[in-house]
Amino acid sequence: DQQVKQNSPSLSVQEGRISILNCDYTNSMFDYFLWYKKYPAEGPTFLISISSIKDKNEDGRFTVFLNKSAKHLSLHIVPSQPGDSAVYFCAASGAGGGADGLTFGKGTHLIIQP
Amino acid sequence: NAGVTQTPKFQVLKTGQSMTLQCAQDMNHNSMYWYRQDPGMGLRLIYYSASEGTTDKGEVPNGYNVSRLNKREFSLRLESAAPSQTSVYFCASRMGQGGVFPQHFGDGTRLSIL
Repeated sequence: DQQVKQNSPSLSVQEGRISILNCDYTNSMFDYFLWYKKYPAEGPTFLISISSIKDKNEDGRFTVFLNKSAKHLSLHIVPSQPGDSAVYFCAASGAGGGADGLTFGKGTHLIIQP
Repeated sequence: NAGVTQTPKFQVLKTGQSMTLQCAQDMNHNSMYWYRQDPGMGLRLIYYSASEGTTDKGEVPNGYNVSRLNKREFSLRLESAAPSQTSVYFCASRMGQGGVFPQHFGDGTRLSIL
């Protein structure tokens, strides 16, 4: 049973416009949510995170929004740049049961078109 | 500053062979993790080590063993490789437990079992 879901396998956005990547989760015990960016043949790179007690966190061009009642978060990238083309993973921490580590979604492949 | 270093980068094994994947971090992090990523899937936690001298199972531990050799190094061993273990393996580390500390990943080991 997938606890973190990214329902869009891919997303195409024009350069300069806003990219919005979505993520849903089912486990209400998650206490932190993170976004990672991954290029081919490289490891995931941490992008931005948000605590479950907040509803927004911003870092430069990247903003993450959390709607706890809907169990939904989104990553906004403004403006989108060619270097943003990558796979983006949503991940969650604090699933409970004493286990550590992150629970990942399947990823969304973002393609920035010139 | 190398961050998280994984060796080897690529490996092909025959069914039944054994091998050890190596991971070392130079960030003085306390916690270390092993994940696997299969095509079209997110990363799944195999084992983790919250601190030197401790190891615990993650979501998919069957067929693997780990050793936290010291604070820097965390190895993953396949005792008798099976085709189902064909995957990309990522090692990660972070300062401490909890989502407030993001995990930092190596570039992965691509393992094929024939």
